[in-house]
Amino acid sequence: EIVMTQSPVTLSVSPGERATLSCRASQSINSNLAWYQQKPGQAPRLLIYGASSRATGIPVRFSGSGSGTEFTLTISSLQSEDFAVYYCQQYNNWPPYTFGQGTKLEIK
Amino acid sequence: EVQLVESGGGLVKPGGSLRLSCAASGFTFTDHNINWVRQAPGKGLEWVSSISSSSTYIYYADSVKGRFTISRDNAKNSLYLQMNSLRAEDTAVYYCARVERGAFDMWGQGTVVAVSS
Repeated sequence: EIVMTQSPVTLSVSPGERATLSCRASQSINSNLAWYQQKPGQAPRLLIYGASSRATGIPVRFSGSGSGTEFTLTISSLQSEDFAVYYCQQYNNWPPYTFGQGTKLEIK
Repeated sequence: EVQLVESGGGLVKPGGSLRLSCAASGFTFTDHNINWVRQAPGKGLEWVSSISSSSTYIYYADSVKGRFTISRDNAKNSLYLQMNSLRAEDTAVYYCARVERGAFDMWGQGTVVAVSS
């Protein structure tokens, strides 16, 4: 099973600033990585697939990068609606699909 | 409207059973593999089970293998999860999620399962 590790657990950033979230896989997953955003009481929403492709309707301030075992989600200029929990997920070697433990992005 | 809608959650005693449903609309159901994903209170996301478009391939997480059964009825655009021998640790919000280009591109709103005596 591939273990996904996200860092940091909590990230405090001011609105308008840049946020950088990291995700590491325990072995290479090529570019088969997705990022999801989840707000309280809501279902997760797909942001990024294929490590760097934005899903339909996702603003351009969200970008993903990386391949192999190291991945990054960058939010270029934080808006109030971006404060949420973010999960990475690998779909290279499944079953099982595996998720990171999440990064909570909070307002500084 | 393109959506997935779960139902069937509730409160059940340990050892009991529950059947969840996921109704799909607004897209071609048979074009997609579908998954169940759960989230325990205050915890992260855990993949539970996957079924291919024609039900040929079915997979389960080790934590539910032998107790849960996934199925789908393509004529009814519906997905199911039969959950038997439920345990306290199965308490969670259960989501169905569609696969597109490998990732889970559409999720339902979730249905709550609580296992308690």
